[in-house]
Amino acid sequence: SQTIHQWPATLVQPVGSPLSLECTVEGTSNPNLYWYRQAAGRGLQLLFYSVGIGQISSEVPQNLSASRPQDRQFILSSKKLLLSDSGFYLCAWSVLASNEKLFFGSGTQLSVL
Amino acid sequence: SQQGEEDPQALSIQEGENATMNCSYKTSINNLQWYRQNSGRGLVHLILIRSNEREKHSGRLRVTLDTSKKSSSLLITASRAADTASYFCAKSLTGGGNKLTFGTGTQLKVEL
Repeated sequence: SQTIHQWPATLVQPVGSPLSLECTVEGTSNPNLYWYRQAAGRGLQLLFYSVGIGQISSEVPQNLSASRPQDRQFILSSKKLLLSDSGFYLCAWSVLASNEKLFFGSGTQLSVL
Repeated sequence: SQQGEEDPQALSIQEGENATMNCSYKTSINNLQWYRQNSGRGLVHLILIRSNEREKHSGRLRVTLDTSKKSSSLLITASRAADTASYFCAKSLTGGGNKLTFGTGTQLKVEL
């Protein structure tokens, strides 16, 4: 069966520090991969999605970047965190070329202080 | 801008009652999906309804879709305390590729 792993669960970082959040998927090949951010009490904002290795689409201009070095690995990064980067970050995957069901990781609560 | 919203933003009911949440959208869709999120956790897919469908059922869940009104509703029948969570609709927009657009969610609280 397919599983998605996202870590860490909680992260507290100072302003100006770098960020690296990792997400891996097991049990499937060639998934679509997504990074969403959720502000407290709000909906989900799509940050990045990828349909293949090295293929990244950015949805909103921001202080973050994403990379997909392997088929089932998706990394969210920042060189210098801002206070506004605080939030709940969720990784998700779906079957390639599908606009259907997303499978979400358990999320990372990032607090930038 | 957000592709529609859910309403109500918050809903508090007693166990055993039905809960109805609504979702609206602005452009045409391929499908509409409902997800559930427990506090501090990831989202879990509940049900998907395609643009050519009008109603779907899954256990105690019933989803309707009215494409003429660009709206959908999620009904949870005979609610339980364990149904307490946030519920989100997500739209697969026509021409939107493999992306889903999420609404702001309805926070449901089911009290004993």
